[in-house]
Amino acid sequence: GDSVTQMEGPVTLSEEACLTINCTYTATGYPSLFWYVQYPGEGLQLLLKATKADDKGSNKGFEATYRKETTSFHLEKGSVQVSDSAVYFCALSDLGSSASKIIFGSGTRLSIRP
Amino acid sequence: DGGITQSPKYLFRKEGQNVTLSCEQNLNHDAMYWYRQDPGQGLRLIYYSQIVNDFQKGDIAEGYSVSREKKESFPLTVTSAQKNPTAFYLCASSIDLDYSYEQYFGPGTRLTVT
Repeated sequence: GDSVTQMEGPVTLSEEACLTINCTYTATGYPSLFWYVQYPGEGLQLLLKATKADDKGSNKGFEATYRKETTSFHLEKGSVQVSDSAVYFCALSDLGSSASKIIFGSGTRLSIRP
Repeated sequence: DGGITQSPKYLFRKEGQNVTLSCEQNLNHDAMYWYRQDPGQGLRLIYYSQIVNDFQKGDIAEGYSVSREKKESFPLTVTSAQKNPTAFYLCASSIDLDYSYEQYFGPGTRLTVT
């Protein structure tokens, strides 16, 4: 079945460092890919998405490119801030499946030091 | 403002008691979802509903029940049959199942059963 694998955390960085959180997927169809963010004590928020190969999603300085050849959707940010500390979930949705739903990765906790 | 509300934020129950978690949305969304989140794990789908009076089991429905009598409301009951009920529960909604990739999440309810 479809699945999402993302790098294990926690990831700890200093403010203004570069961030990459790896995400790879397995899907039988043509999934859409997403990054969700969960701030402490809150629900998830959609951060960015890409619906087809080579699409780049971007929001709040974060970017991710849908790479079909490597089945990847890595999250990147050039300069992180303390306010970026959160748990980040990579996810996919295969609209071709019989029951459309989101499949989430296990989450990567990011902590940014001032 | 439109959104999803879950109440209460924290809930404590004794083992053997059923408990119902509230989820209300004013986004006029047709589809609603319940997820369970355990520490260090991704979200797991409990139940989802695409329309009033219709709902489907997700990946871990055992020990849970839902109802969808109104479009705005999708309460989840955690029954005494659920072996490990202590978890963080998240409710979400989307325009419909075809747009399940873009879900809006509530703030969550943390349930502790002792």
